[in-house]
Amino acid sequence: NAGVMQNPRHLVRRRGQEARLRCSPMKGHSHVYWYRQLPEEGLKFMVYLQKENIIDESGMPKERFSAEFPKEGPSILRIQQVVRGDSAAYFCASSAGTGAYGYTFGSGTRLTVV
Amino acid sequence: SQQGEEDPQALSIQEGENATMNCSYKTSINNLQWYRQNSGRGLVHLILIRSNEREKHSGRLRVTLDTSKKSSSLLITASRAADTASYFCATDARQAGTALIFGKGTTLSVSS
Repeated sequence: NAGVMQNPRHLVRRRGQEARLRCSPMKGHSHVYWYRQLPEEGLKFMVYLQKENIIDESGMPKERFSAEFPKEGPSILRIQQVVRGDSAAYFCASSAGTGAYGYTFGSGTRLTVV
Repeated sequence: SQQGEEDPQALSIQEGENATMNCSYKTSINNLQWYRQNSGRGLVHLILIRSNEREKHSGRLRVTLDTSKKSSSLLITASRAADTASYFCATDARQAGTALIFGKGTTLSVSS
């Protein structure tokens, strides 16, 4: 059981480029969550998805950010026209359901915008 | 917005001592969870306590929950250098379709 797989581990983008972050949930998990973490801070919720559906995107900036979880393949967090302030660690987690389920986290993607 | 707030922000202790971290939250919850994060890594789930439970144990971990005060505590007994990490509480709000909301964490340093 490979757990939650995120790639790439590190991503460097120039200002104005696009960043694509991938997350494959743990086998059997159909709920995916994306969080952003700045240095010395906690995790800020961004978006919660199930297969082909966005359940809650209240934490996602209205512009430049989008997320999907297609029927086949990993969940993708897409950041268009990146700016320096997008530099952060982005973590994906998955769970088997809502309620009394713990989350399994991936190792994160560290995005650096230069 | 942050639902949970951990206290203290940072804690330094010697090996063998106990470490207590507290978490306060704002709204009604279904359950509260504690996670650990080693530097530069993803979070690891430690323990979940439901809103109708008052105390739960797992190895050297003891978690309490007081829903009347909207607070929880995580006690690590007989700490080891390997316990050095950041610890976060996370709450699952009663609203359906919501994700866990995390606090800012307590950074624990255990020196040998």
